[in-house]
Amino acid sequence: KQEVTQIPAALSVPEGENLVLNCSFTDSAIYNLQWFRQDPGKGLTSLLLIQSSQREQTSGRLNASLDKSSGRSTLYIAASQPGDSATYLCAFSRSNYQLIWGAGTKLIIKP
Amino acid sequence: GAGVSQSPSNKVTEKGKDVELRCDPISGHTALYWYRQSLGQGLEFLIYFQGNSAPDKSGLPSDRFSAERTGGSVSTLTIQRTQQEDSAVYLCASSLDRYGYTFGSGTRLTVV
Repeated sequence: KQEVTQIPAALSVPEGENLVLNCSFTDSAIYNLQWFRQDPGKGLTSLLLIQSSQREQTSGRLNASLDKSSGRSTLYIAASQPGDSATYLCAFSRSNYQLIWGAGTKLIIKP
Repeated sequence: GAGVSQSPSNKVTEKGKDVELRCDPISGHTALYWYRQSLGQGLEFLIYFQGNSAPDKSGLPSDRFSAERTGGSVSTLTIQRTQQEDSAVYLCASSLDRYGYTFGSGTRLTVV
């Protein structure tokens, strides 16, 4: 059973566009939800964390929202840049340590 | 150290051999996690350490997998009698609290 689904699996857009990455999860009793970025050959970088009591978090050009009732989170990237090219992963935690992960969205920003 | 260090970065081994993967967490981080990422799949939780204790080993796929942590620092993940399905990237993370995960670059294991 796929507990976390990320759509689309891959996305290619021209530089400067605003874009939305989607994450859906089956468990409404989440502790928190996080978005990570993964670059080839490198580790994961935490981007945003949304507590279960929160609706959204913002960091620079990134905004993440959380709707527990519908089991959805979105990551909004404004004014995309080639340096944003990476795989974006969402993960939720049922407890204070174990993360349940989606398979990721591979994003390519074309100059 | 400045970050989470994993070694080796790449490992090719023959089916049936044992392998050891090492994780050196950020100094002072009490929690340490092992995850596995197979091609095209999401990360799969393996085991979690708090100090030297492992409260949750439920993610270990089989009894061929074991892990230990000594001195509240370095952790070793051991896979015995490796199989081809063990091929994956093994990621280690450490944290001081429940939120601040820092991941290593991973060990890419290929079983031939």
